[in-house]
Amino acid sequence: NAGVTQTPKFRILKIGQSMTLQCAQDMNHNYMYWYRQDPGMGLKLIYYSVGAGITDKGEVPNGYNVSRSTTEDFPLRLELAAPSQTSVYFCASSDRGGGANVLTFGAGSRLTVL
Amino acid sequence: DAKTTQPTSMDCAEGRAANLPCNHSTISGNEYVYWYRQIHSQGPQYIIHGLKNNETNEMASLIITEDRKSSTLILPHATLRDTAVYYCIVRVVAGAGSYQLTFGKGTKLSVIP
Repeated sequence: NAGVTQTPKFRILKIGQSMTLQCAQDMNHNYMYWYRQDPGMGLKLIYYSVGAGITDKGEVPNGYNVSRSTTEDFPLRLELAAPSQTSVYFCASSDRGGGANVLTFGAGSRLTVL
Repeated sequence: DAKTTQPTSMDCAEGRAANLPCNHSTISGNEYVYWYRQIHSQGPQYIIHGLKNNETNEMASLIITEDRKSSTLILPHATLRDTAVYYCIVRVVAGAGSYQLTFGKGTKLSVIP
């Protein structure tokens, strides 16, 4: 059971480039999330999804886009990379949104924008 | 939104119990308290959660005060591998029937040999 898988683990981008961070889970979870973590800080929610075809903004959505065409996958798109997007990105999933909401996290994707 | 307050850092001797406090004085009656930890730069790992009663699992114990305004995570026999940042989180209500977990800066626990 792989859990939550993120790719790539590391990536360096130039300012203005675009890329997609991939996230896949094999637990049949309906809820999926993208967080970013800047050095020495906690995690901030970027986007989340409550099921295939449904996404919504979190705390810091500007500069990002998401889609959820399947239950398993929740890619995060950066359209015009900026140095402020240098961060570690974590994808997570859970089997419910309310009640006891236990998240399973991926290992993270470290992005540097130069 | 319920906020949490945690000490920035704590030390604990290896083999001793680590007691990590958390204040959440604005918690609502139906909001859970969650604890996660993050070892080095890995993804956060779920530890335990509770609503009103004290909880225990194979990793830790969670003690919630009767008024629910504070809680303590207890690692009964800390090891060097327990060195991590520990996050105390109260669920934040979001849209579309979903509930989000907001991670603050947490407590950096250092287990000392």
